[in-house]
Amino acid sequence: GAGVSQSPSNKVTEKGKDVELRCDPISGHTALYWYRQSLGQGLEFLIYFQGNSAPDKSGLPSDRFSAERTGGSVSTLTIQRTQQEDSAVYLCASSPGQGAGGNTIYFGEGSWLTVV
Amino acid sequence: EDKVVQSPLSLVVHEGDTVTLNCSYEVTNFRSLLWYKQEKKAPTFLFMLTSSGIEKKSGRLSSILDKKELFSILNITATQTGDSAVYLCAARGGTSYGKLTFGQGTILTVHP
Repeated sequence: GAGVSQSPSNKVTEKGKDVELRCDPISGHTALYWYRQSLGQGLEFLIYFQGNSAPDKSGLPSDRFSAERTGGSVSTLTIQRTQQEDSAVYLCASSPGQGAGGNTIYFGEGSWLTVV
Repeated sequence: EDKVVQSPLSLVVHEGDTVTLNCSYEVTNFRSLLWYKQEKKAPTFLFMLTSSGIEKKSGRLSSILDKKELFSILNITATQTGDSAVYLCAARGGTSYGKLTFGQGTILTVHP
């Protein structure tokens, strides 16, 4: 597609339920990122996939959070047993890959999650 | 721990003013520094800087990196109301190479 596509754009869920957020990166991009942005806050790194390398999961806040990337393309971020503090915009980004300084990273529109 | 700090946190100016936004960073294995503009949800890319002292320019916006002092600035001249946004700075590096660490952002408000 032309840009990074995320779905759903908005999700309201009850506390304790599981949610899945999907990201379709730009075609051909080997690097994929998930970030979280709470209201009025900066972007918090969650996880980074690069090609076939093991993902950097160092930003996942708890074991309720997991992400996978199938076939080097689409990624799903799963939050189990959601809590109210999980409410945030979840942003996905992709980039063509590495290189000396890295490449430009392009963001999707985000998935706004509200846990009630 | 990798860290990026932006200042000021917020700024209110009038159209036509010039603003300077600051970004300092402490990132292991530093690769590059990126500036983004965020108006609604998705941050939009402005600049990527990898070399010290080389100014990047796009219209009224410009940015420069100082790798010795570990900071970058973003300048906006002749500001317009459409420049109102959150400006995010991010440093790429860390143990996984590609990870971007973001600052908390500077909220810029430009009044007519």
